[in-house]
Amino acid sequence: EVQLVQSGAEVKKPGESLKISCKGSGYSFTSYWIGWVRQMPGKGLEWMGIIYPGDSDTRYSPSFQGQVTISADKSISTAYLQWSSLEASDTAMYYCARHTVTGANAMDVWGQGTTVTVSS
Amino acid sequence: DIQMTQSPSSLSASVGDRVTITCRASQSITIYLNWYQQKPGKAPKLLIYAASSLQSGVPSRFSGSGSGTDFTLTISSLQPEDFASYYCQQTYSTSKYTFGQGTKLEIK
Repeated sequence: EVQLVQSGAEVKKPGESLKISCKGSGYSFTSYWIGWVRQMPGKGLEWMGIIYPGDSDTRYSPSFQGQVTISADKSISTAYLQWSSLEASDTAMYYCARHTVTGANAMDVWGQGTTVTVSS
Repeated sequence: DIQMTQSPSSLSASVGDRVTITCRASQSITIYLNWYQQKPGKAPKLLIYAASSLQSGVPSRFSGSGSGTDFTLTISSLQPEDFASYYCQQTYSTSKYTFGQGTKLEIK
């Protein structure tokens, strides 16, 4: 079964750092782009950026460039999303998803989501 | 960046109704348009890719059409499990993919 499993919920204080993960299984992890999507409470979906685990080529939405870092460790089929200094406005659900190769780059397999809460 | 505008932002309908949601791109995206369904507390689910291709396992009452800047998602006969939020997404602009703001489909 093709799946993406994300790390558990996090509660952090402003200024703290954080790295959440997304582990792929059931397919060739290095052959598909992995994207990250933010959903703030009660709001819509925002595409953040993508990484190609095969060579770690990474692209960011202009809205998130410089705010987060996307990385991957292909040896353990895991992608990451990290913050160096969290803000309250980073409170959201974060999803990872696989981008298809042939289907117009759609996001066909999704992780279950990681809730990040930033509060003093 | 390419902007995606969905309409309506919310919609009330009854079981059995035919429903159409539209998505307009700020410039041509050919057929690089995808539709997702999201239920409360769940991850989004891919319904339609490349404007009109039905994702495997998705019921045939869902269909998509359009090209260029104007696209539609149609549900031919609403079922109780279809009440959810729907999002379009353009994947034309390399690595600057964007979602529409979403349409919440509610029971009338």
